[in-house]
Amino acid sequence: DIQMTQSPSTLSASVGDRVTITCRASQSIRTWLAWYQQTPGKAPKVLIYDASSLDTGVPSRFSGSGSGTEFTLTISSLQPDDFATYYCQQYNSYPTFGQGTKVEIK
Amino acid sequence: EVQLVESGGGLVQPGGSLRLSCAASGFTFSRYWMHWVRQAPGKGLVWISRINSDGISPAYADSVKGRFTVSRDNAKNTLYLQMNSLRADDTAVYYCARDGYGGANWFDPWGQGTLVTVSS
Repeated sequence: DIQMTQSPSTLSASVGDRVTITCRASQSIRTWLAWYQQTPGKAPKVLIYDASSLDTGVPSRFSGSGSGTEFTLTISSLQPDDFATYYCQQYNSYPTFGQGTKVEIK
Repeated sequence: EVQLVESGGGLVQPGGSLRLSCAASGFTFSRYWMHWVRQAPGKGLVWISRINSDGISPAYADSVKGRFTVSRDNAKNTLYLQMNSLRADDTAVYYCARDGYGGANWFDPWGQGTLVTVSS
């Protein structure tokens, strides 16, 4: 299995901050990576697929980059709705997820 | 509107069985691969199974292989997960999810989830 490691596990930030979350794969996954947002009690929602493609309806403050083994999710200006847990997921082989990054209010 | 609605969760004893259903609407169900993903309480997301559009090629995570069976009825727009020999570590919210496109193996959208609790 391909292992996905996110950092940090928890991130404290304020509204308006620029936030970056990193995801590393244990082997190259080219650009076969998605990012999801999950709020408590809700199902995850895809934000980014193919490492950098924004899903329909997702605000442009979200962006993704990277290839191979290192990827980032950036929120350019954190909004109140963005306090949530974020997961990366590879689909180069059978899908596996990172452990999650919780973005909390500073 | 694309919608996925899971049902069938509940409390079951260790060693027992349960069948989950996922009713799909708002899209041409027969054209999409479908997945099951679970999340143990307070934990992260784990992919457990997928089935291709015609139901011929299922795949499973090692943790459920031989115990769980995924199937679909394209005439009823419904996805199923038959879970046998359930264990305490199968306790989780189970989500069904539509494949992103053409077997890409990312997930959009997800259902609201159904809770399975395995306990005596």
